[in-house]
Amino acid sequence: DAMVIQNPRYQVTQFGKPVTLSCSQTLNHNVMYWYQQKSSQAPKLLFHYYDKDFNNEADTPDNFQSRRPNTSFCFLDIRSPGLGDAAMYLCATSRIPDSYEQYFGPGTRLTVT
Amino acid sequence: AQTVTQSQPEMSVQEAETVTLSCTYDTSESDYYLFWYKQPPSRQMILVIRQEAYKQQNATENRFSVNFQKAAKSFSLKISDSQLGDAAMYFCASNTGNQFYFGTGTSLTVIP
Repeated sequence: DAMVIQNPRYQVTQFGKPVTLSCSQTLNHNVMYWYQQKSSQAPKLLFHYYDKDFNNEADTPDNFQSRRPNTSFCFLDIRSPGLGDAAMYLCATSRIPDSYEQYFGPGTRLTVT
Repeated sequence: AQTVTQSQPEMSVQEAETVTLSCTYDTSESDYYLFWYKQPPSRQMILVIRQEAYKQQNATENRFSVNFQKAAKSFSLKISDSQLGDAAMYFCASNTGNQFYFGTGTSLTVIP
């Protein structure tokens, strides 16, 4: 089945230690998104790629970076995680302009110790 | 920018009964899409139903239907014959182009 895959599902990192979260998709969608979701809150968009074009949200901290080496993969890099970065990180994809709905991966739960 | 408002942080419904979740939005765009997503505890966010703004007919997916009032910018979700598996956080969302806007969510409890 075509899907959005996130690895790892659970990640523990130390305060200040860089961490990379991975997202891959088999849907051949042109747009990939990264969201941060804290407990019982709505997902907060960090940034997205429209094909190779990177679009950063104005309030996304510089500590968060992203890479999209090809259509299928997108990475979220947190350069120096703080305790406040502990959250669920969701990857989503969509195909614009064919369909505007977003398909979500299962998420990676990040713990910062 | 668009805003999406869900005024009911929590709702509960008796199993087999009907419940309606409210959502309002604000946009200056003429072409947009509306969605309801379901996120069960510790599980994946999945699409429940979508509505294209240019369509007057309300979308329906099995037990899920929407009441789309474009002039009032209202997009409520009705769940009929509620089941235990419907218990989840429900997010209303709107979309224009590649921008997606989520509401704050409604936590639905289904009482056996």
